[in-house]
Amino acid sequence: GAGVSQTPSNKVTEKGKYVELRCDPISGHTALYWYRQSLGQGPEFLIYFQGTGAADDSGLPNDRFFAVRPEGSVSTLKIQRTERGDSAVYLCASSRYGGGEQFFGPGTRLTVL
Amino acid sequence: DAKTTQPNSMESNEEEPVHLPCNHSTISGTDYIHWYRQLPSQGPEYVIHGLTSNVNNRMASLAIAEDRKSSTLILHRATLRDAAVYYCILRGLTGGGNKLTFGTGTQLKVEL
Repeated sequence: GAGVSQTPSNKVTEKGKYVELRCDPISGHTALYWYRQSLGQGPEFLIYFQGTGAADDSGLPNDRFFAVRPEGSVSTLKIQRTERGDSAVYLCASSRYGGGEQFFGPGTRLTVL
Repeated sequence: DAKTTQPNSMESNEEEPVHLPCNHSTISGTDYIHWYRQLPSQGPEYVIHGLTSNVNNRMASLAIAEDRKSSTLILHRATLRDAAVYYCILRGLTGGGNKLTFGTGTQLKVEL
C-alpha cells in the first residue's frame, strides 16, 4: 500500500514569505506527527495530532508555526514570516494509533534565502 | 525524557555481524527501547523495540541488559543497504510517550 507522502519535495522561499507543507498519511492512521531535521542532527519533534486535534504541540518553536488536520487525514504545516533558521527537512509520520510504530514520509526540504 | 548515549560512528564489513550499543542509565521502568534507522535522503524507519526481554524480527535483534541500563542492536549480516544512521530512543507510556525524541544516532558505514 501507499506510504506517507509529502509535498512539495523541495521548497525554496525568501525570508519573510509564508509557506505551507502538506502531509498525506497512511490511510486509516489516526495519529500524525511533524518533525524537522537540521543537517547533521536527528529529527526534532514539532507536533502530534490524534484525529483532528493537536494532542501535543510542545515542539513548535514559536507562534510563526502552525499545523492543521481538519478532517483527521491530510495535515498542513504552515510557517509565517519565514526566517533563514527555518531551513531544514520537515518530516511527517503517521501511526495506526498514538504510541504505535511511526511510518515516515520522505520529507520536504525547505530552504529560506 | 531519559537520554540515550550512542557512539557517533561505527564501521563494518559486508556480511559480518554488527553490534550497535546504546546506553540509557536513567531509563524508567515503563520506558520502551526503540530503534529507528535513517537511510541517506530518506525519512527514518522503524527497526525494532523491546521492554525487558530480547527481541528478534526479520530486520534485527535487540539485546537488553538485565538492569536495562544498556541495549545492543544486532544486525546479523550487514549489507551495503544497512549503511544508515541508527537511533536508539526511549519511549514512555504516558505524557510525551507518543513522540520520538531522537539524538544524533550512530552512523554505520558498511564496506565491501
